[in-house]
Amino acid sequence: EAGVTQFPSHSVIEKGQTVTLRCDPISGHDNLYWYRRVMGKEIKFLLHFVKESKQDESGMPNNRFLAERTGGTYSTLKVQPAELEDSGVYFCASSEDERRGQSNTGELFFGEGSRLTVL
Amino acid sequence: AQRVTQPEKLLSVFKGAPVELKCNYSYSGSPELFWYVQYSRQRLQLLLRHISRESIKGFTADLNKGETSFHLKKPFAQEEDSAMYYCALSLMFSGGYNKLIFGAGTRLAVHP
Repeated sequence: EAGVTQFPSHSVIEKGQTVTLRCDPISGHDNLYWYRRVMGKEIKFLLHFVKESKQDESGMPNNRFLAERTGGTYSTLKVQPAELEDSGVYFCASSEDERRGQSNTGELFFGEGSRLTVL
Repeated sequence: AQRVTQPEKLLSVFKGAPVELKCNYSYSGSPELFWYVQYSRQRLQLLLRHISRESIKGFTADLNKGETSFHLKKPFAQEEDSAMYYCALSLMFSGGYNKLIFGAGTRLAVHP
């Protein structure tokens, strides 16, 4: 079974440019999360989708960040315009929906991350 | 506010030595705690969760509510244990999802 996949694995852009990160969750997982780890800091929650709906976007840093999950499948995270402090590793994770009686032990399945470097 | 603290950025030990990676949490509710691990060039993955009370790869972790701790222990470290370890607090929501609050992580280096 394919795990969570993220693209690109590494992106280098200049300040002011736009970058779009993509995440494909595990098939059948309704919950999709974005997290971010900036240099030397902890991994922080950005937002959470249930299918195509944003359930919680309390961790989004500012309005330069836009996340979408059209059709409830893959998700994109766009940063526009990018700033130096946006550099870091962006992780996507997915999980099952506990309400549907699937076994949900609280485990999140992570992608390998997209490393963003803003120069 | 919910918080997870891992006081050590780096823990360096020799093969065969005991290992304890510290984790303290702050949470007013009933905590659900996890240890996630990221080996070199691999994705972040679940190592163990406190509710299952299991031993994975020789690691155990006991939830101590009095000390608000969830330290990860292994009696004899192996070189393949070298990795980044993250303690995480899971916040469960009625909508059927959970949000993880991570600590800053501890890098474990096991030397031959």
